[in-house]
Amino acid sequence: DQQVKQNSPSLSVQEGRISILNCDYTNSMFDYFLWYKKYPAEGPTFLISISSIKDKNEDGRFTVFLNKSAKHLSLHIVPSQPGDSAVYFCAAKEGSQGNLIFGKGTKLSVKP
Amino acid sequence: DSGVTQTPKHLITATGQRVTLRCSPRSGDLSVYWYQQSLDQGLQFLIQYYNGEERAKGNILERFSAQQFPDLHSELNLSSLELGDSALYFCASSGGSGSVGTQYFGPGTRLLVL
Repeated sequence: DQQVKQNSPSLSVQEGRISILNCDYTNSMFDYFLWYKKYPAEGPTFLISISSIKDKNEDGRFTVFLNKSAKHLSLHIVPSQPGDSAVYFCAAKEGSQGNLIFGKGTKLSVKP
Repeated sequence: DSGVTQTPKHLITATGQRVTLRCSPRSGDLSVYWYQQSLDQGLQFLIQYYNGEERAKGNILERFSAQQFPDLHSELNLSSLELGDSALYFCASSGGSGSVGTQYFGPGTRLLVL
């Protein structure tokens, strides 16, 4: 059973608008969440993270929101740029476990 | 550039064969993780090493094994290869054994088993 779910396989957004990527999880023991961006033929690149004790973390155009009661997090990209077009993976980590549990990814297309 | 290197970039082999994938972590990172990404799948955790010792195991088949050497580079050995082993294999590194340290990924090795 998937512990981290990204229910939208793809998302298309106009340049300059907001992109919202969503992620749901089932394990209440997760205490750290990360977003990675992946271009074809490259490894995942770390984007932004959030601890479970926070509900928001911002870094430039990227903001991650965490709603623990709903077991939901989202990544907001404002404004979206064509270079943001990539697959975005949500990942979660549990306590002392070092490994990450990934969702299946959402392919974002930002159209000029 | 994440600072994590993986070789080879591409590998084509036949069923039943054995291959070795190599990973060099970022300078100073003690933990190495191996992940597998099959078609239409997210990254699946295989195994973690910390400073030369196995620390955690995920969905790793018995035909697969790994090790981390004193210079901290790691190798993932895949044997008795099957068609279904065709996938992208990523290595990641971080600073701690199970700390909140972010994992940084290498460019991956694309394995094709024919």
